[in-house]
Amino acid sequence: DAGVIQSPRHEVTEMGQEVTLRCKPISGHDYLFWYRQTMMRGLELLIYFNNNVPIDDSGMPEDRFSAKMPNASFSTLKIQPSEPRDSAVYFCASSFPLGEQFFGPGTRLTVL
Amino acid sequence: RKEVEQDPGPFNVPEGATVAFNCTYSNSASQSFFWYRQDCRKEPKLLMSVYSSGNEDGRFTAQLNRASQYISLLIRDSKLSDSATYLCVVISGGGADGLTFGKGTHLIIQP
Repeated sequence: DAGVIQSPRHEVTEMGQEVTLRCKPISGHDYLFWYRQTMMRGLELLIYFNNNVPIDDSGMPEDRFSAKMPNASFSTLKIQPSEPRDSAVYFCASSFPLGEQFFGPGTRLTVL
Repeated sequence: RKEVEQDPGPFNVPEGATVAFNCTYSNSASQSFFWYRQDCRKEPKLLMSVYSSGNEDGRFTAQLNRASQYISLLIRDSKLSDSATYLCVVISGGGADGLTFGKGTHLIIQP
């Protein structure tokens, strides 16, 4: 297996633009997590899915953020509109069962 | 969300030395604990799980102290390649509810 795949690896956009981050979990994993990492706040859990169903989205910072998992092999995290304070590294991770999480390489987002 | 705290360091340690650091958690109902390692500009990777009875993997030993609400990581005979940031993870609820990462402890092994 190729591991967790994220795209794009780097994204630079202007304030107000829509940003969509993509994740392909490891096949057979039924948990998928989205994280955000900054120097100030560390690694924060934004939302996680179990069997494609969002279970806990209490970490999503505000309504500008949304996440979907239309099927077992694909998830998106969308920010609309983006703001400079959203600049961070966004990680996707998957696991089966809940235990060791396998992280993707991350998307480095810069909002100007 | 309950807090998970780590000393950010950096811990500067000579090669071959033993180093230990802790991670404290505030929710006494916490159930699962892990240590992850993160290299600079890379993704976190699981180092080891932390069991109630302790866990040893080669040069690495993880311990859980429920009474004082902390987990520890001990590295013996440290190598230059051990230089990284070590993140603790605490899960306080069923499933992944209450999953919280510490901000990490930065370890630098010096030759």
